[in-house]
Amino acid sequence: SQTIHQWPATLVQPVGSPLSLECTVEGTSNPNLYWYRQAAGRGLQLLFYSVGIGQISSEVPQNLSASRPQDRQFILSSKKLLLSDSGFYLCASGLDIPRSTGELFFGEGSRLTVL
Amino acid sequence: DAKTTQPPSMDCAEGRAANLPCNHSTISGNEYVYWYRQIHSQGPQYIIHGLKNNETNEMASLIITEDRKSSTLILPHATLRDTAVYYCIVRVDNYGQNFVFGPGTRLSVLP
Repeated sequence: SQTIHQWPATLVQPVGSPLSLECTVEGTSNPNLYWYRQAAGRGLQLLFYSVGIGQISSEVPQNLSASRPQDRQFILSSKKLLLSDSGFYLCASGLDIPRSTGELFFGEGSRLTVL
Repeated sequence: DAKTTQPPSMDCAEGRAANLPCNHSTISGNEYVYWYRQIHSQGPQYIIHGLKNNETNEMASLIITEDRKSSTLILPHATLRDTAVYYCIVRVDNYGQNFVFGPGTRLSVLP
């Protein structure tokens, strides 16, 4: 099975500062990669997904961006954070059927607080 | 992708079976039904999935109606550690298709 590493686990940043969250995947190659955000008490919101190096699809227009410089590396960035960017960010990895059962593997998450 | 509808919350007594329903009346023939759960402050965990037939694994059973418009996740003997938000998702098996998580059902297992 796949293992997803995310860091940092916790981050407190001032409004207007930049952001970089990193995710790496072990145990597979050419996975589909995802960034989700979960605001306090809310469901998961899909932010970006990627089917390959340099290929990014954005689900929600905002001040965040994503990049995939390597096959198993996915980065979430912002040039200037907003208060509304606070939340729990989750990276996920999955393979398409029939390479797998199609399930997603999630990292432990990065909790961002913007002050 | 077809949308799903789940009750926002449910309670279950410890040791009893927890039956979590999900409606997906617009599901298409090539869409799978997936169930995940999320324990507070952790990433979601895969539970089970199916296409047409009922499925069982070490965690749960998935019952899909014959018309595939609804399904039920069954936790046969719920424990306090099963308290979590449970998500029902339908997705196609197309290349690069993404997962979309709805609000889910918050299951509380009571002692």
